[in-house]
Amino acid sequence: EVQLVESGGGLVQPGGSLRLSCAASKFTFSSYSMNWVRQAPGKGLEWVSYISVSGRTTHYADSVKGRFTISRDNAKNSLYLQMNSLRDEDTAVYYCARGGGSFAYCDYWGQGTLLTVSS
Amino acid sequence: QSVLTQPPSASGTPGQRVTISCSGSSSNIGSNYVYWYQQLPGTAPKLLIYKNDQRPSGVPDRFSGSKSGTSASLAISGLRSEDEANYHCAAWDDSLSGVVFGGGTKLTVL
Repeated sequence: EVQLVESGGGLVQPGGSLRLSCAASKFTFSSYSMNWVRQAPGKGLEWVSYISVSGRTTHYADSVKGRFTISRDNAKNSLYLQMNSLRDEDTAVYYCARGGGSFAYCDYWGQGTLLTVSS
Repeated sequence: QSVLTQPPSASGTPGQRVTISCSGSSSNIGSNYVYWYQQLPGTAPKLLIYKNDQRPSGVPDRFSGSKSGTSASLAISGLRSEDEANYHCAAWDDSLSGVVFGGGTKLTVL
């Protein structure tokens, strides 16, 4: 079955940077768009970013635009999220999710990785 | 404040039918597909309904989705204790050029 495993979360000070990774397996990674979705403690889901199959098309939530960068390495079956200028409100569990024909379609999700931004 | 509006909570007894609403606008639900995700306690979300009313394989037909204008609904019939979860709606928003979610609805099976 499709597997998505996030890593790279942890405790970071405000203003700091971190890169999240998502290792994909048991499907043809290079054939699917991908998303990052986050969930702050006790809150609902918030879409963060989308990347197309080739990586040439990306979209970002306004809340992270200019600070976060999504990328992928199809040769390594990996998805990344580079996060800079981190803020307290970025504290959340970050999920990578496999996309499909429509932007809001996420058919498989990883277990998530927790990012805590705090001094 | 979420772009899509859901009731924060819903409840029902086993065997009942419950519906969860999701209200949006012309730039999201009014012009794009709606998706529903189920999130059991302590777990990652799971795709429940896609393209307004389609069920992925493995999702029981007790779950159904519908859309009318700028609103959508998720209906669960024959409610079971294992349906107790948070339910989230989502859609693409043309104005924001991004995906928007509802705030989530916590379903309690009494």
